[in-house]
Amino acid sequence: QPQLQESGPGLVKPSETLSLTCNVSGDSIITSRRYWGWIRQPPGKGLEWIGSIYYNGGTYYNPSLKSRVTISVDTSENQFSLKLSSVTAADTTVYFCARHGVNYRSGFDSWGQGTLVAVSS
Amino acid sequence: QSALTQPRSVSASPGQSVTISCSGTSSEVGGYNYISWYQEIPGTAPKLLIYDVTKRPSGVPDRFSGSKSGNTASLTISGLQADDEADYYCCSYAGSYTFVFGGGTKLTVL
Repeated sequence: QPQLQESGPGLVKPSETLSLTCNVSGDSIITSRRYWGWIRQPPGKGLEWIGSIYYNGGTYYNPSLKSRVTISVDTSENQFSLKLSSVTAADTTVYFCARHGVNYRSGFDSWGQGTLVAVSS
Repeated sequence: QSALTQPRSVSASPGQSVTISCSGTSSEVGGYNYISWYQEIPGTAPKLLIYDVTKRPSGVPDRFSGSKSGNTASLTISGLQADDEADYYCCSYAGSYTFVFGGGTKLTVL
């Protein structure tokens, strides 16, 4: 199983852009031919899929977040990133990165431990 | 997309069985056989237990099983053990390359 590790600022100011990176080890984003995704979890609440990306940059986004989300991939560094713009307190959550199963529709077979991002001035 | 509906909590004694339901609509749960279940222990990475409604990844004990009827999916854990105490989440493919998760169920092993 691959190891996924999220990194980025733990505090972002309202109206600014949240930026996180997921470093992948033990698997290659290119050769795995898998999609890679971001999921978030507000404190004490359920999970929410944010979006997913393929090694060639192809992306799918949650319609409810699409206007504010950009997911990108850096195959040379074997990592992918999340940018969420115009953040508010509602974006204070734990953010997870994950690998899709062999079949994109089958869900997520490996996850990072998650990183808490707080939105506050 | 609305979150799938799961009971907030369930409980059972060691050795017993427990079933966690996950209710949706024909737009996700009922429309596709792509239901997955995850175990989340606070502070650790969520773990895939079931995918494609009934399939178990290698390494997941056969005490964990999944099923679906209409717009409701279920996860059954038999022979409960103390370390099964965790939060459990369902997820369904929802068409157009999107996913929706459940609100989560806290399992307490009495």
